[in-house]
This record gives sequence, C-alpha cells and structure tokens, in this order.
Amino acid sequence: GEDVEQSLFLSVREGDSSVINCTYTDSSSTYLYWYKQEPGAGLQLLTYIFSNMDMKQDQRLTVLLNKKDKHLSLRIADTQTGDSAIYFCAESFSGGYNKLIFGAGTRLAVHP
Amino acid sequence: EAGVAQSPRYKIIEKRQSVAFWCNPISGHATLYWYQQILGQGPKLLIQFQNNGVVDDSQLPKDRFSAERLKGVDSTLKIQPAKLEDSAVYLCASSLDRGKSGELFFGEGSRLTVL
Repeated sequence: GEDVEQSLFLSVREGDSSVINCTYTDSSSTYLYWYKQEPGAGLQLLTYIFSNMDMKQDQRLTVLLNKKDKHLSLRIADTQTGDSAIYFCAESFSGGYNKLIFGAGTRLAVHP
Repeated sequence: EAGVAQSPRYKIIEKRQSVAFWCNPISGHATLYWYQQILGQGPKLLIQFQNNGVVDDSQLPKDRFSAERLKGVDSTLKIQPAKLEDSAVYLCASSLDRGKSGELFFGEGSRLTVL
C-alpha cells in the first residue's frame, strides 16, 4: 500500500539543529522528497534524494535515507525563525507516472 | 518565469452547490496534477494529466468531481454537488516531464469552504 508517516510537531530553539523523520512503505520508490509549506502558500521543493543514495547534503540541509528500514530524515542545521513551516515527506509511487504520495506533514516551530 | 496560477484563491459555498477551480500550469509543463489538502493532512492526489490525457484518477470521487485539461494546457476542476467534507485547499501542480527528479511546482491553492 501507499503510506507515508511523519510526526506532527517539532519545536526547536533558534540556532539548534532540527531533525524531521519520515517512514514510507514503497520499497521501490525511485525518489524521496522534502517539501516545505509556509502559511497560505503552496508546497515548495526543498530537496530530494535518489533511492540509491544514503545521504545528500545541500547547504544547511542534510537528508539521510535508510532503505532497509524505509526511513528518511531531514536535518536542518542552525535552524532560523524563517524555517518555521510545515515540512512534507513524499515518495514517488512506483506504480504511476511520477505520482507523489505525501505524508501529513511536520509542523516545525522555531523559538528564540 | 511565471509560476502555477490558480483561481479563485477563496470560495465559500453551501452544500449541494457547485464550484469550479481553474489552473494555468507553468509553460511547457506536460504533466498537471490536482491535489486535495484537508486541514491537518498532507496533499492527496485527485487526478493527474499527461498533456490532455488522464493517467491517474483513481482517487477522484467521480460521482461529484470532474476535471478536464483541454488542449493540454489549462485545467478546471469541478465539484457538483459539494459536500461538507469537500472543504479543503485544492492545489494544482505541474511538472516538466515524467520526472527525472520529480519536482512538482505548486500553485498557492484554492481554499474551499462548504457550509
């Protein structure tokens, strides 16, 4: 089946690192994604990782993929108040044309 | 480069009325998606077009929802008659192709409230 699960809420202090976790079900997913949604806005692609990679780093963002456990994480270093948003994990469902299955989203709150 | 345009941004209707949403994807993007995002949930795919053909509408409630993409560019999503549980944000997205990286570009969404 198609299912992506995330914890719903994370609160961190400004300057600390944030780690958002996700589990997915489709072991044949080609890509896994992190999207960011700010209030009243659509989703914006933050980063993605190809399924044959274990890690991808992009400035303050680090994505870790554990295919055995079907676990994906997003680490944001030096979290800022501007990082406050909802973060969605998504997998590309192998059964369809680039069909993305999204999790429910993790709301990240950054406080001083 | 212009992004994905959607209208209207907000719509309030009573149950059993009808509503239509419009989407203009990024120029040249072959694939267009309509997602439904209920408050507190992630987006759920309703329908996916490749040019003007439907490639996935397995989650579309076809008794009340319909969508079309004439000429493979703009798209409309219609709900008739609306139910209370249709209250959600309807997100349109487009992508360039079947997705080497799978990047979907989203519009700001159309928020529907059904009373």
